[in-house]
Amino acid sequence: QQPVQSPQAVILREGEDAVINCSSSKALYSVHWYRQKHGEAPVFLMILLKGGEQKGHEKISASFNEKKQQSSLYLTASQLSYSGTYFCGTDKSPGGSRLTFGEGTQLTVNP
Amino acid sequence: DVKVTQSSRYLVKRTGEKVFLECVQDMDHENMFWYRQDPGLGLRLIYFSYDVKMKEKGDIPEGYSVSREKKERFSLILESASTNQTSMYLCASTNPGGAYEQYFGPGTRLTVT
Repeated sequence: QQPVQSPQAVILREGEDAVINCSSSKALYSVHWYRQKHGEAPVFLMILLKGGEQKGHEKISASFNEKKQQSSLYLTASQLSYSGTYFCGTDKSPGGSRLTFGEGTQLTVNP
Repeated sequence: DVKVTQSSRYLVKRTGEKVFLECVQDMDHENMFWYRQDPGLGLRLIYFSYDVKMKEKGDIPEGYSVSREKKERFSLILESASTNQTSMYLCASTNPGGAYEQYFGPGTRLTVT
């Protein structure tokens, strides 16, 4: 069963913050985040492993609440280059290979 | 740089035709995947392979088959194309248990008329 992402779409002005959520009804081992820009292939952002660790680089970070089976992606002080569709992928077991992706969240950052 | 290439960016086929989509990766990855991407549905796994000649069904394997004769090449086959298989098809590869990152190809936009 696919994880559920929210919101489905969000529009920001440059410099604003956003949070994208990913929820699963099943116990998870890991959550993976990808971004796909229009007309391009999805690109890996980060992975969150079981343990509630928060990770991030620059102004994009994420957390994983294993009790709630929920992950959140935080985009701080958004830039035009953040525009794209964000997907979470979930895995129930170690290995991180077979992922089930959510339906995606379309993020648009305007000047 | 890891590179995953797909044989065509755009493909138009007729209903009932047999269709081959090819994917090649150059990083000696063990695992390879085929996804289809449809608006509002995200990426859905069709098949994956964890070794040469090994394959497993994904979440939506009906109407598809795959072939992996060499480690670097993973083919998706539509035995008899139907209009509901019109979609974007993405190939990906990764190594198990490592950095976890899946590397995606540019995609093939398949239209079945």
